Amino acid sequence: NAGVMQNPRHLVRRRGQEARLRCSPMKGHSHVYWYRQLPEEGLKFMVYLQKENIIDESGMPKERFSAEFPKEGPSILRIQQVVRGDSAAYFCASSPWGPGGYEQYFGPGTRLTVT
Amino acid sequence: AQKVTQAQTEISVVEKEDVTLDCVYETRDTTYYLFWYKQPPSGELVFLIRRNSFDEQNEISGRYSWNFQKSTSSFNFTITASQVVDSAVYFCALSVRGGATNKLIFGTGTLLAVQP
Repeated sequence: NAGVMQNPRHLVRRRGQEARLRCSPMKGHSHVYWYRQLPEEGLKFMVYLQKENIIDESGMPKERFSAEFPKEGPSILRIQQVVRGDSAAYFCASSPWGPGGYEQYFGPGTRLTVT
Repeated sequence: AQKVTQAQTEISVVEKEDVTLDCVYETRDTTYYLFWYKQPPSGELVFLIRRNSFDEQNEISGRYSWNFQKSTSSFNFTITASQVVDSAVYFCALSVRGGATNKLIFGTGTLLAVQP
């Protein structure tokens, strides 16, 4: 049973470009979470999605960031017009069930560097 | 509001020493869940343990053990006879029941360096 997959593992973008980060959850998992790890900081929650629905986006910056989890295909975290402050590691996690404190299994992360 | 504090930023030990990583949490919810994750130098996050607020039994898994004490709002993690492969950043995390989300609130992590 493959784990959570994220691609690309490393992504370099120039300021003003768009970044698209992909996450394929574990088989049988329909709940996806995105977290961001800034340098020298812990992980911060960004958004929680179920298939085709955004359930909680309280941690998402108001502008330039969006997320989706379509019926078919991976979850996508999209960052428009990237700035240097967006440089971070972005982790996706999945769980088989929703609220209830179930453990989340993390992918290897995507390291975004904005030049 | 919920919060997780890992006061130890870095710990350095010599192989075979025992080491305890501290975690203190804050929440007003009566039902909540506590987690530990390991982030080795390769960068991925590895799930170690989950505990719910009604289960205060200590747990042991090989060289790893966890001490959950509601009276002090702590969920400490001990590695016995540490090994170089234990070198990593360890994160403690909290989630609360209720609402529509299951988001994890992480502490800032403790970097453990085990010297040979």
